[in-house]
Amino acid sequence: GDSVTQMEGPVTLSEEAFLTINCTYTATGYPSLFWYVQYPGEGLQLLLKATKADDKGSNKGFEATYRKETTSFHLEKGSVQVSDSAVYFCALSDPVDSSYKLIFGSGTRLLVRP
Amino acid sequence: SAVISQKPSRDICQRGTSLTIQCQVDSQVTMMFWYRQQPGQSLTLIATANQGSEATYESGFVIDKFPISRPNLTFSTLTVSNMSPEDSSIYLCSVGSSYNEQFFGPGTRLTVL
Repeated sequence: GDSVTQMEGPVTLSEEAFLTINCTYTATGYPSLFWYVQYPGEGLQLLLKATKADDKGSNKGFEATYRKETTSFHLEKGSVQVSDSAVYFCALSDPVDSSYKLIFGSGTRLLVRP
Repeated sequence: SAVISQKPSRDICQRGTSLTIQCQVDSQVTMMFWYRQQPGQSLTLIATANQGSEATYESGFVIDKFPISRPNLTFSTLTVSNMSPEDSSIYLCSVGSSYNEQFFGPGTRLTVL
């Protein structure tokens, strides 16, 4: 079945450092890919998405490119802030699965220190 | 994006009791889902709430334990029945109109003693 694999956390960075959180997937069809963020004590927010190969999703300085050849969707940010501290989830939705459900990775906790 | 609210936002319950969680959306949506997030874990889909028919449950989840209603296109409830401490989790509803996008409610944080 479909699955999403994320790098283990926690990731600890100093403010203004470069961030990469790796995400790879397996899917039957051509999925849509998502990054969600969960701030402490809150629900999930959609951070960015990409729906086809080579699409780049971007939001709030975060970017991720849909790489079909490597089945990856790595999250990057050039300069992190303390306010970016949160748990980041990579997810996919496979149109072959008519239920439209999301399949999530295990989540990666990011801690940014001043 | 749709505005999604959940009630209650949190609760502490005794084992053996049941809790009903409500999910309200400010616009009609095609799909509504219920997810569970156990402490420190990722999200797992419980079921798809189908308007006017029985919910579609994922493997490992059954209707007797997690009955779901969806009377219209803006509202759904999830009941956690005969609770045990293992049911302590965050329960989230999500809504979407296609496989390209889903939005989540703020979640209900449940603690079972």
